[in-house]
Amino acid sequence: AQTVTQSQPEMSVQEAETVTLSCTYDTSENNYYLFWYKQPPSRQMILVIRQEAYKQQNATENRFSVNFQKAAKSFSLKISDSQLGDTAMYFCAFADDKIIFGKGTRLHILP
Amino acid sequence: EPEVTQTPSHQVTQMGQEVILRCVPISNHLYFYWYRQILGQKVEFLVSFYNNEISEKSEIFDDQFSVERPDGSNFTLKIRSTKLEDSAMYFCASSPVGQGFDEQYFGPGTRLTVT
Repeated sequence: AQTVTQSQPEMSVQEAETVTLSCTYDTSENNYYLFWYKQPPSRQMILVIRQEAYKQQNATENRFSVNFQKAAKSFSLKISDSQLGDTAMYFCAFADDKIIFGKGTRLHILP
Repeated sequence: EPEVTQTPSHQVTQMGQEVILRCVPISNHLYFYWYRQILGQKVEFLVSFYNNEISEKSEIFDDQFSVERPDGSNFTLKIRSTKLEDSAMYFCASSPVGQGFDEQYFGPGTRLTVT
């Protein structure tokens, strides 16, 4: 069975700093998608970034980028120039025919 | 930009009552999903639905739960006899293509409180 592990329950960084959230997963599949979702206090699930496993190039979306290491089954999220609005719960997720979420990392951006 | 909508945003019900949570997926999407998030915990898959039938369901999705697409636009989750532990945020999602090979678009969620 696929599993997703986020080893950092909570993190705090100063505004404008760069922060990296870790995620590892386990699967025997070769073709799949990986996602990072943001859940602000409103509790809505917002897609931050996604990565297709067959693409070697790391996905980038403005200040958000990933470090995808397929062999190591690692999928970390880097947030550059962090902003107060980035404060939220961040979920790493693996997708085959459904999405499997990690337990989340609560990120606090401090002014 | 098209989006998934859910109603109501918050539902309070008494234990043992039936509730129906409603979702309107994005109009050209074919795959529909329900997820649940108990407060403070991770989001958990409940069920996926395609071509008017359930394609996969989790262990959580027992006989108390059912899903339906009663018309061309709505996708509902019914809980027949609610329990206290059903209190959670329920997210509907839809995608144009299933099997994980496309983005699932999430609705804003319905907060269900069972008292």
